Amino acid sequence: QSALTQTPSASGSPGHSVTISCTGTSSDVGAYNYVAWYQQHPGRAPKLIIYEVTKRPSGVPDRFSGSKSGNTASLTVSGLRSDDEADYFCSSYAGNDNYVFGTGTKVTVL
Amino acid sequence: QVQLVQSGPEVKKPGSSVRVSCQASGGTLSSYTFGWVRQAPGHGLDWMGSFIPFFGTPNYAQKFQGRVTLSADKYTSTVYMELRGLRSEDTATYYCATVGVTRDFDFWGQGTPVTVSS
Repeated sequence: QSALTQTPSASGSPGHSVTISCTGTSSDVGAYNYVAWYQQHPGRAPKLIIYEVTKRPSGVPDRFSGSKSGNTASLTVSGLRSDDEADYFCSSYAGNDNYVFGTGTKVTVL
Repeated sequence: QVQLVQSGPEVKKPGSSVRVSCQASGGTLSSYTFGWVRQAPGHGLDWMGSFIPFFGTPNYAQKFQGRVTLSADKYTSTVYMELRGLRSEDTATYYCATVGVTRDFDFWGQGTPVTVSS
Protein backbone atom coordinates (compact mmCIF):
# COMPACT_ATOMS: atom_id res chain seq x y z
CA GLN A 1 0.00 0.00 0.00
CA SER A 2 1.63 3.25 -1.12
CA ALA A 3 1.29 6.44 0.90
CA LEU A 4 -1.20 9.04 -0.28
CA THR A 5 0.51 11.93 -2.04
CA GLN A 6 0.38 15.40 -0.51
CA THR A 7 2.13 18.60 -1.57
CA PRO A 8 5.05 19.02 0.85
CA SER A 9 4.27 22.61 1.75
CA ALA A 10 1.65 25.34 1.49
CA SER A 11 1.43 28.86 2.83
CA GLY A 12 -0.94 31.76 3.21
CA SER A 13 -1.30 35.10 4.91
CA PRO A 14 -3.38 35.58 8.05
CA GLY A 15 -7.06 35.77 7.20
CA HIS A 16 -6.57 34.13 3.84
CA SER A 17 -7.22 30.52 2.79
CA VAL A 18 -5.03 27.59 1.90
CA THR A 19 -6.06 24.32 0.25
CA ILE A 20 -4.14 21.06 0.62
CA SER A 21 -4.60 18.05 -1.64
CA CYS A 22 -4.30 14.34 -0.93
CA THR A 23 -4.10 12.02 -3.93
CA GLY A 24 -4.64 8.30 -3.70
CA THR A 25 -6.02 5.63 -5.96
CA SER A 26 -9.29 3.99 -6.90
CA SER A 27 -8.56 1.44 -4.16
CA ASP A 28 -8.49 3.92 -1.29
CA VAL A 29 -9.51 7.59 -1.61
CA GLY A 30 -11.57 6.94 -4.72
CA ALA A 31 -13.27 3.87 -3.32
CA TYR A 32 -14.46 5.02 0.09
CA ASN A 33 -15.80 8.17 1.74
CA TYR A 34 -13.55 7.44 4.68
CA VAL A 35 -11.01 10.19 4.23
CA ALA A 36 -9.83 11.96 7.37
CA TRP A 37 -7.49 14.88 8.06
CA TYR A 38 -5.21 15.45 11.02
CA GLN A 39 -3.40 18.50 12.34
CA GLN A 40 -0.06 17.99 14.07
CA HIS A 41 1.89 20.67 15.89
CA PRO A 42 5.61 20.07 16.55
CA GLY A 43 6.21 17.54 19.28
CA ARG A 44 2.51 16.74 19.62
CA ALA A 45 0.29 13.85 18.63
CA PRO A 46 -1.92 14.26 15.56
CA LYS A 47 -5.41 15.61 16.12
CA LEU A 48 -8.43 14.59 14.04
CA ILE A 49 -9.99 17.62 12.35
CA ILE A 50 -12.03 16.13 9.48
CA TYR A 51 -13.60 12.70 9.07
CA GLU A 52 -15.74 11.06 6.42
CA VAL A 53 -14.40 13.56 3.87
CA THR A 54 -16.41 16.58 5.07
CA LYS A 55 -17.39 16.18 8.74
CA ARG A 56 -15.84 18.02 11.67
CA PRO A 57 -15.50 16.55 15.17
CA SER A 58 -17.00 18.56 18.00
CA GLY A 59 -14.83 21.56 18.83
CA VAL A 60 -13.15 21.89 15.44
CA PRO A 61 -13.94 25.31 13.94
CA ASP A 62 -15.82 25.56 10.66
CA ARG A 63 -12.77 27.28 9.18
CA PHE A 64 -11.67 23.73 8.37
CA SER A 65 -13.52 22.05 5.52
CA GLY A 66 -12.98 18.96 3.42
CA SER A 67 -14.01 17.70 0.01
CA LYS A 68 -13.25 14.93 -2.45
CA SER A 69 -13.29 14.46 -6.19
CA GLY A 70 -12.34 11.11 -7.66
CA ASN A 71 -9.06 9.92 -6.17
CA THR A 72 -8.16 13.30 -4.65
CA ALA A 73 -9.33 14.73 -1.35
CA SER A 74 -8.78 18.31 -0.25
CA LEU A 75 -8.63 20.25 2.99
CA THR A 76 -9.27 23.99 3.03
CA VAL A 77 -8.30 26.17 5.97
CA SER A 78 -10.04 29.53 5.78
CA GLY A 79 -9.35 32.64 7.82
CA LEU A 80 -5.79 31.51 8.51
CA ARG A 81 -4.52 32.10 12.02
CA SER A 82 -1.01 31.77 13.38
CA ASP A 83 -1.92 28.64 15.31
CA ASP A 84 -2.98 26.92 12.08
CA GLU A 85 0.73 26.66 11.29
CA ALA A 86 1.29 22.91 11.58
CA ASP A 87 1.69 19.69 9.61
CA TYR A 88 -1.44 18.24 8.08
CA PHE A 89 -1.94 14.60 7.15
CA CYS A 90 -4.73 12.79 5.37
CA SER A 91 -5.74 9.18 5.83
CA SER A 92 -7.99 6.85 3.92
CA TYR A 93 -9.57 3.49 4.50
CA ALA A 94 -8.22 1.06 1.91
CA GLY A 95 -10.49 -1.94 2.38
CA ASN A 96 -10.03 -5.20 4.32
CA ASP A 97 -9.34 -3.25 7.53
CA ASN A 98 -6.31 -1.56 5.97
CA TYR A 99 -5.47 2.12 6.22
CA VAL A 100 -3.08 4.46 4.48
CA PHE A 101 -1.80 7.90 5.44
CA GLY A 102 -0.63 10.82 3.38
CA THR A 103 2.94 12.09 3.14
CA GLY A 104 2.06 15.27 4.98
CA THR A 105 1.89 19.00 4.19
CA LYS A 106 3.59 21.70 6.20
CA VAL A 107 1.39 24.80 6.35
CA THR A 108 3.11 28.09 7.02
CA VAL A 109 1.24 31.23 7.98
CA LEU A 110 3.17 34.13 6.49
CA GLN B 1 -14.20 9.75 25.67
CA VAL B 2 -11.21 7.46 25.89
CA GLN B 3 -7.81 8.65 27.09
CA LEU B 4 -4.65 6.84 26.00
CA VAL B 5 -1.39 6.98 27.98
CA GLN B 6 1.68 5.35 26.47
CA SER B 7 4.89 4.05 27.99
CA GLY B 8 8.09 6.05 28.03
CA PRO B 9 10.98 6.45 25.58
CA GLU B 10 13.04 3.40 24.60
CA VAL B 11 16.59 2.94 23.32
CA LYS B 12 17.26 -0.42 21.68
CA LYS B 13 20.08 -2.24 19.91
CA PRO B 14 19.69 -3.43 16.32
CA GLY B 15 18.19 -6.91 16.18
CA SER B 16 16.39 -6.59 19.50
CA SER B 17 12.68 -6.12 20.21
CA VAL B 18 10.61 -3.35 21.75
CA ARG B 19 7.21 -3.48 23.40
CA VAL B 20 5.23 -0.27 23.70
CA SER B 21 2.20 -0.10 25.97
CA CYS B 22 -0.91 2.05 25.74
CA GLN B 23 -3.24 2.22 28.73
CA ALA B 24 -6.82 3.18 28.00
CA SER B 25 -9.26 4.81 30.38
CA GLY B 26 -12.82 5.94 29.85
CA GLY B 27 -14.35 2.78 28.46
CA THR B 28 -14.22 -0.97 28.06
CA LEU B 29 -11.17 -2.10 26.12
CA SER B 30 -13.11 -4.39 23.82
CA SER B 31 -15.41 -1.51 22.86
CA TYR B 32 -12.66 0.01 20.78
CA THR B 33 -10.60 -0.75 17.75
CA PHE B 34 -6.98 0.21 18.41
CA GLY B 35 -4.52 1.17 15.76
CA TRP B 36 -0.78 1.74 15.87
CA VAL B 37 0.89 4.38 13.76
CA ARG B 38 4.54 5.35 13.61
CA GLN B 39 6.31 8.49 12.51
CA ALA B 40 10.00 8.52 11.67
CA PRO B 41 11.79 11.82 12.37
CA GLY B 42 10.75 14.40 9.81
CA HIS B 43 8.51 11.93 8.01
CA GLY B 44 4.83 11.15 7.61
CA LEU B 45 2.53 8.77 9.42
CA ASP B 46 2.71 5.04 8.75
CA TRP B 47 -0.12 2.70 9.73
CA MET B 48 1.23 -0.50 11.32
CA GLY B 49 -1.87 -2.46 12.23
CA SER B 50 -5.19 -2.47 14.03
CA PHE B 51 -7.23 -4.79 16.20
CA ILE B 52 -10.20 -5.12 18.48
CA PRO B 53 -8.91 -6.61 21.76
CA PHE B 54 -10.12 -10.14 22.41
CA PHE B 55 -12.11 -10.20 19.18
CA GLY B 56 -10.74 -11.75 16.04
CA THR B 57 -7.17 -11.47 14.90
CA PRO B 58 -5.18 -8.27 14.41
CA ASN B 59 -4.73 -6.87 10.94
CA TYR B 60 -1.16 -5.88 10.13
CA ALA B 61 0.19 -3.67 7.38
CA GLN B 62 2.05 -5.77 4.84
CA LYS B 63 5.38 -4.03 5.46
CA PHE B 64 5.30 -5.07 9.13
CA GLN B 65 3.92 -8.60 8.71
CA GLY B 66 5.97 -11.11 10.65
CA ARG B 67 7.72 -8.45 12.77
CA VAL B 68 4.87 -6.89 14.73
CA THR B 69 2.41 -8.27 17.24
CA LEU B 70 -0.54 -6.43 18.76
CA SER B 71 -1.99 -7.70 22.03
CA ALA B 72 -4.00 -6.59 25.04
CA ASP B 73 -4.43 -7.16 28.78
CA LYS B 74 -8.04 -6.75 29.91
CA TYR B 75 -7.08 -6.57 33.60
CA THR B 76 -5.02 -3.40 33.12
CA SER B 77 -6.94 -2.03 30.09
CA THR B 78 -3.64 -1.92 28.24
CA VAL B 79 -2.84 -2.66 24.62
CA TYR B 80 0.65 -3.51 23.43
CA MET B 81 2.67 -3.29 20.26
CA GLU B 82 5.78 -5.45 19.97
CA LEU B 83 8.20 -4.91 17.09
CA ARG B 84 10.98 -7.45 16.56
CA GLY B 85 14.18 -7.46 14.56
CA LEU B 86 14.75 -3.77 15.09
CA ARG B 87 16.90 -1.83 12.64
CA SER B 88 17.94 1.80 12.51
CA GLU B 89 15.06 2.59 10.15
CA ASP B 90 12.63 1.69 12.95
CA THR B 91 13.73 4.78 14.88
CA ALA B 92 10.45 6.65 15.19
CA THR B 93 7.71 7.82 17.50
CA TYR B 94 5.06 5.15 17.90
CA TYR B 95 1.46 6.15 18.55
CA CYS B 96 -1.56 4.18 19.62
CA ALA B 97 -4.96 5.52 18.63
CA THR B 98 -8.56 4.44 18.63
CA VAL B 99 -10.11 3.78 15.24
CA GLY B 100 -13.64 5.12 14.96
CA VAL B 101 -16.53 3.42 13.19
CA THR B 102 -16.05 6.10 10.54
CA ARG B 103 -12.59 4.65 9.82
CA ASP B 104 -10.57 7.48 11.27
CA PHE B 105 -8.04 7.68 14.10
CA ASP B 106 -10.01 9.75 16.57
CA PHE B 107 -8.12 9.65 19.88
CA TRP B 108 -4.35 9.41 20.17
CA GLY B 109 -1.82 8.57 22.82
CA GLN B 110 1.03 10.99 23.45
CA GLY B 111 3.52 8.90 21.48
CA THR B 112 6.52 6.80 22.49
CA PRO B 113 9.92 7.62 20.95
CA VAL B 114 11.95 4.53 20.10
CA THR B 115 15.60 4.91 19.12
CA VAL B 116 17.46 2.01 17.53
CA SER B 117 21.19 2.47 17.73
CA SER B 118 24.27 0.37 18.28
